[in-house]
Amino acid sequence: NAGVTQTPKFRILKIGQSMTLQCTQDMNHNYMYWYRQDPGMGLKLIYYSVGAGITDKGEVPNGYNVSRSTTEDFPLRLELAAPSQTSVYFCASTGERYEQYFGPGTRLTVT
Amino acid sequence: GESVGLHLPTLSVQEGDNSIINCAYSNSASDYFIWYKQESGKGPQFIIDIRSNMDKRQGQRVTVLLNKTVKHLSLQIAATQPGDSAVYFCAENLGGGADGLTFGKGTHLIIQP
Repeated sequence: NAGVTQTPKFRILKIGQSMTLQCTQDMNHNYMYWYRQDPGMGLKLIYYSVGAGITDKGEVPNGYNVSRSTTEDFPLRLELAAPSQTSVYFCASTGERYEQYFGPGTRLTVT
Repeated sequence: GESVGLHLPTLSVQEGDNSIINCAYSNSASDYFIWYKQESGKGPQFIIDIRSNMDKRQGQRVTVLLNKTVKHLSLQIAATQPGDSAVYFCAENLGGGADGLTFGKGTHLIIQP
């Protein structure tokens, strides 16, 4: 049982490039989330999903897209990377009590 | 502004002492609260949670207290150890369901030898 895994761990993008951050969980959780964490700050919710085929916007969705074709996977897409998207991105899934389990994060730099 | 916030950005305690980390929230409709520990370079790690129908919940060396009257949450860590050094976040779920958490900025707990 690996929990929540994320790839890649680190990435540097040029302005305007696109990429997909991968997230997989093996706990059969229905609910999954993407957060971003800027230096010295708490986490802000980007998108979430309550099950396969269902996604919804969080607090800071602009510049991102998500899909949820399976229970296990919840990829986050950046289409036109901007410096403001430099951050650490965390994926999470939710257990029975709604406590969230987080992956190790992807550190993204846009230059 | 954020509905969840922390009183102190940094807390320094002696090893072996008890630590108390505080958190204020502004939404009286918040139903569920969680404390997370985040070590450098890692994702947040679940510590303990509490629902709004409770005042206190205890775990191993940790206790969470909820005062709904003043909208205050605290995390008590007993007999603080070096491994407790981390940033601690409180988070709330406004809907009591699965639509994501709202996090405060965090308190950096530093353990002095």
